[in-house]
Amino acid sequence: GENVEQHPSTLSVQEGDSAVIKCTYSDSASNYFPWYKQELGKRPQLIIDIRSNVGEKKDQRIAVTLNKTAKHFSLHITETQPEDSAVYFCAASRGMIKAAGNKLTFGGGTRVLVKP
Amino acid sequence: NAGVTQTPKFQVLKTGQSMTLQCAQDMNHNSMYWYRQDPGMGLRLIYYSASEGTTDKGEVPNGYNVSRLNKREFSLRLESAAPSQTSVYFCASSEAQGGTEAFFGQGTRLTVV
Repeated sequence: GENVEQHPSTLSVQEGDSAVIKCTYSDSASNYFPWYKQELGKRPQLIIDIRSNVGEKKDQRIAVTLNKTAKHFSLHITETQPEDSAVYFCAASRGMIKAAGNKLTFGGGTRVLVKP
Repeated sequence: NAGVTQTPKFQVLKTGQSMTLQCAQDMNHNSMYWYRQDPGMGLRLIYYSASEGTTDKGEVPNGYNVSRLNKREFSLRLESAAPSQTSVYFCASSEAQGGTEAFFGQGTRLTVV
């Protein structure tokens, strides 16, 4: 089955700096890579996702890059703000293959702390 | 539009007791999932239902059973709770294909003593 590794497990940045979280996956058939943000005591919520036919995607201060050959993808947050403090999870699935459903394999999470 | 609703939000069980976690979604999604979240381990898939009438094991199914009652509802049952099942449980739903967003419920914090 799929295995997703996520690094670092904790990340402390100064407000205004950038944060980068990296994930690797093992299943070459995975084709959908979402990122979820989870605030303390809350449910995970999707912040950005990327499909295997795209190398990069950006949404305001958040960007995700995908390297299919190396089987890794990264989340980049620029101009970090205190409200970016949360746990971030990467995930992978074969979501675009009908028979596989859209079940996600998650990385272990990165706790991001943005210091004012 | 409530999204994904789980009950209960908190539960304490004694070892050996049984309970059912309920989940319902109102987004007309075909697929539903149960995950557990433990510190440092992300979310791990327990069981999923790709469509109404089907269920399949995920990564950590031992000690659990599920029922897809209808398109809206997907329940998780612990027949004989163990301390190792102390965790936060999340139900989620999504479209069946296309690499689409999974929407999560608010979670159930379960403690087994």
